[in-house]
Amino acid sequence: NAGVTQTPKFRVLKTGQSMTLLCAQDMNHEYMYWYRQDPGMGLRLIHYSVGEGTTAKGEVPDGYNVSRLKKQNFLLGLESAAPSQTSVYFCASSRPTSGYNEQFFGPGTRLTVL
Amino acid sequence: RKEVEQDPGPFNVPEGATVAFNCTYSNSASQSFFWYRQDCRKEPKLLMSVYSSGNEDGRFTAQLNRASQYISLLIRDSKLSDSATYLCVVNLVDKLIFGAGTRLAVHP
Repeated sequence: NAGVTQTPKFRVLKTGQSMTLLCAQDMNHEYMYWYRQDPGMGLRLIHYSVGEGTTAKGEVPDGYNVSRLKKQNFLLGLESAAPSQTSVYFCASSRPTSGYNEQFFGPGTRLTVL
Repeated sequence: RKEVEQDPGPFNVPEGATVAFNCTYSNSASQSFFWYRQDCRKEPKLLMSVYSSGNEDGRFTAQLNRASQYISLLIRDSKLSDSATYLCVVNLVDKLIFGAGTRLAVHP
């Protein structure tokens, strides 16, 4: 099992460019999440999905869109990148067990917006 | 006020020391609690869950005080390999809320 994988690992964008980050999991998990991590801020939830075809906003959704067309994939899109979106992006997945919700994380994508 | 607050550290301790991390959370509806570990430039990984009765896993002991909304992690006999950032995490329905982390550096 590869667990959770993310593509790409690194990316540099210019302001206004668009891109899509891909997250894939092979654990048959229902729930998937996108976070961003900035120094001193901890992980902040951008969007999440509780099943194929469903998405919901997290704490910091502005400037991002997501899609969950297949259970194993969760895509994060930036339509018009801004320097404030420079961050490390982590994807995670979990089973929908009530109360106990261990999340498994991908290795992260380091994004720089110039 | 942040939903989950931790002392950012760093805690610099010698090998063999005992070190304790504290964490407070603001939402009394929080359902479950965890400590995650994050190595430098790596993804977070679950270290242990935290129960009201307290739980121990080898050198690590976690405690929860629901009345005070307080969580702790105790590491005994610190090893160099314990150097990492420790994230306090609370579960609210379908979401996890992460603290900013406490950095631990264990030196020889």
